[in-house]
Amino acid sequence: DAKTTQPNSMESNEEEPVHLPCNHSTISGTDYIHWYRQLPSQGPEYVIHGLTSNVNNRMASLAIAEDRKSSTLILHRATLRDAAVYYCILRAYSNDYKLSFGAGTTVTVRA
Amino acid sequence: DGGITQSPKYLFRKEGQNVTLSCEQNLNHDAMYWYRQDPGQGLRLIYYSQIVNDFQKGDIAEGYSVSREKKESFPLTVTSAQKNPTAFYLCASSRQGAVSNEQFFGPGTRLTVL
Repeated sequence: DAKTTQPNSMESNEEEPVHLPCNHSTISGTDYIHWYRQLPSQGPEYVIHGLTSNVNNRMASLAIAEDRKSSTLILHRATLRDAAVYYCILRAYSNDYKLSFGAGTTVTVRA
Repeated sequence: DGGITQSPKYLFRKEGQNVTLSCEQNLNHDAMYWYRQDPGQGLRLIYYSQIVNDFQKGDIAEGYSVSREKKESFPLTVTSAQKNPTAFYLCASSRQGAVSNEQFFGPGTRLTVL
């Protein structure tokens, strides 16, 4: 399975944007890029996903590089409730759509 | 409200005992999954099922067993053969058939083996 690389941790101030990078240099043409986040002591929740084009939803934006070897999750105005571990995951039909979670990026938001 | 329920939230067992973790969903999802999470680590897939009466091993299936007799239910049994069962266990479900389908997770069961 193609792997992703994320920084271990990032810090942000409340109401400032957060840019979470993810490298996936071995991504294949059929891999979708998914982001999930996990708040402390809870199950993960879906954030956003994309294939080639940039995507926006109510939670975040996903910017995908033209060569698809990297992507960035953007939280436009961080709140204390956004403090969580963020996982960047590649998902493909070829592996039964399984999600393979790495260690993720721990985001800390300062008030 | 639709969602996934896992019970109990905390579970304590003595070493050598089998224990079954419950997972129920009312989202009408075909696919269900079990993950294990150890402190400071990501989730690892134990078993998954794409349809009733069928399931596949994930990355760390040894010492675990599952059944899928009903669409709504996917119980996980942690057997005495699992060498280090203390962990946070998460169940998830999703619609089947598309790579874009998101997985919905339950609140988890924290198992401690004494």
